[in-house]
Parts: sequence; structure tokens; C-alpha cells
Amino acid sequence: DGGITQSPKYLFRKEGQNVTLSCEQNLNHDAMYWYRQDPGQGLRLIYYSQIVNDFQKGDIAEGYSVSREKKESFPLTVTSAQKNPTAFYLCASSSGTVLTGELFFGEGSRLTVL
Amino acid sequence: AQSVTQLDSQVPVFEEAPVELRCNYSSSVSVYLFWYVQYPNQGLQLLLKYLSGSTLVESINGFEAEFNKSQTSFHLRKPSVHISDTAEYFCAVSAYRGTYKYIFGTGTRLKVLA
Repeated sequence: DGGITQSPKYLFRKEGQNVTLSCEQNLNHDAMYWYRQDPGQGLRLIYYSQIVNDFQKGDIAEGYSVSREKKESFPLTVTSAQKNPTAFYLCASSSGTVLTGELFFGEGSRLTVL
Repeated sequence: AQSVTQLDSQVPVFEEAPVELRCNYSSSVSVYLFWYVQYPNQGLQLLLKYLSGSTLVESINGFEAEFNKSQTSFHLRKPSVHISDTAEYFCAVSAYRGTYKYIFGTGTRLKVLA
């Protein structure tokens, strides 16, 4: 089955620690995205990548970093600089950069900072 | 800049009753419109989309939405809801501003009551 796999599903972190969320897709999609979801705020774009070895900041990139070394993989690191990291993180992909089509989402990773 | 407004954060409705979830957008350029559904602790799934052509679009599970350009709206309707329709629904627009980007609304939580 083709799709997007995010791991871990739940993650707890102490303040001051970096954590990396994994996102893998086998849809052969060029574009990948990371969103942050908070209650009542909808989805906000953190980073996106339209092609391997290239990525762009979204609306709330501060305190996050990404890499895109392979087409299938787009990991997100939540750094200690992110002031309020507790949230639900969603990875998505699309077959092209012209967004007339569907965004395919993973099942999300819920990060809680203790 | 584009924006999407979902005025209703929560909509309770009894089973088999009709429902309308409202979505209004603003944009200075042409947009593509989408509705996504999110079940608890899962990612989003595309419900339906409007790209061009007929302004009334339908999903396979009985939802429909109508694009109204003059009112800049894309409301989602279902004539008779089921318990299984309980979920959060997100309206989104995609537009070109240097690059294509999705803008999501803040979501409407539909709760179907027995």
C-alpha cells in the first residue's frame, strides 16, 4: 500500500532536548510538507520541499530544521529553540508543486514536552 | 494575501439531520478549493475539491459543496448525517503567490448525536 508513514506516533521530550520526527513516503511524490496543528488554529506550514536537496521555510519555521536527502524522506527536527513545541505534527506530500491536487497526509506525531 | 474563515468551531447535530459547515475565503487571485476531514488522532483526508467547471462537487459519502464566487464561499453540506461523520472538517484554498501554497481554515468539529 502506498502512503506516508510518520514515526513515532507519540513522543515525550524534556525541555532543552532536540527531537527528530520521521516522515517517509512511497508515493513517488516530489513535494513534501510539514505542518503543525494546534487546537483552534488549523494547520500551519513549517517547512516544505519541492525537490530533493532543496527546501523552503513556511510560516512558522523558527525553532525547526529539515533535510531532504532522499525523495522518500523528509525528517523534521524540533530544536530546543522552539519555545512551544507541544503539538500535533503532520507530514504531507503531493505529486507536484502546482497545488490543484490532493495533499496526502501521514497519521501524525504528537509531541509533548514535559 | 489569501485567507480562509470557518466561522463555526463546533457544530452539534442529531443523526439523520442535515448539516452545513461554512467556509468563506478571500483572495486577489484565482483559487482552488478543498474540504478535508480528520478523524481523531489521524491525518487529514481529502473529501472533495473544486478546480473548475461545475460549481457543485460531491464526495463518495454523500457530502457536497458549492463554489459561490460572488459570495466567496465553499460551504459543505450533507442532507442526512451519520454517527460516523463525527470528525473535524477543514476548508482549504490553494493559490499562486510566487509558489502554490495551501491555506487551511481553523476547522469545524462536527459532532453527530444519537
